[in-house]
Amino acid sequence: SAVISQKPSRDICQRGTSLTIQCQVDSQVTMMFWYRQQPGQSLTLIATANQGSEATYESGFVIDKFPISRPNLTFSTLTVSNMSPEDSSIYLCSVGTGGTNTGELFFGEGSRLTVL
Amino acid sequence: SQKIEQNSEALNIQEGKTATLTCNYTNYSPAYLQWYRQDPGRGPVFLLLIRENEKEKRKERLKVTFDTTLKQSLFHITASQPADSATYLCALEGYSSASKIIFGSGTRLSIRP
Repeated sequence: SAVISQKPSRDICQRGTSLTIQCQVDSQVTMMFWYRQQPGQSLTLIATANQGSEATYESGFVIDKFPISRPNLTFSTLTVSNMSPEDSSIYLCSVGTGGTNTGELFFGEGSRLTVL
Repeated sequence: SQKIEQNSEALNIQEGKTATLTCNYTNYSPAYLQWYRQDPGRGPVFLLLIRENEKEKRKERLKVTFDTTLKQSLFHITASQPADSATYLCALEGYSSASKIIFGSGTRLSIRP
């Protein structure tokens, strides 16, 4: 299992600003994932963050808008840049436990962002 | 495109009854299917994983079936309790090591005493 801590848990931000979300895992993991969950919606994968390489972004998400860092095997950050009200959402960090497949995902509690 | 469908309407069940949630998918051949529970304001919590060559898996009061012909999974909670009230998410993963896990939008389950 893995315990994931995310900061901040919630924030209210002004349009045009950027916010960095931190994700700390209590064990070393290869792959970390960043998801977005808009109100009443499913989880949408933003990107996969592998230590030592560039993050892999899903369709509709770009590095300029959502830069990700992965400096070591227990930590990652996601920045939401130049925010607009459409970015209001819950952002979730998760890690997989599998080998050849991702396996079960462990999630942080999420960071609820409100953009005014 | 790949699509996962879960009943968007909330499911209301009397305590003690069996709750059955449905997950249907299209344009996908998953190797694995998972179910998660999500409480309000919390991250999802893993419940069960079933492989494409498994028909059924059980864990305590939970049972999952996986029918790759119908492209459907059923999630059962027997002897339901008010504490089982939550949103339940279905998730799929493909065969490739590069496959990502995709989620359905979830079904909200409410167990009334």
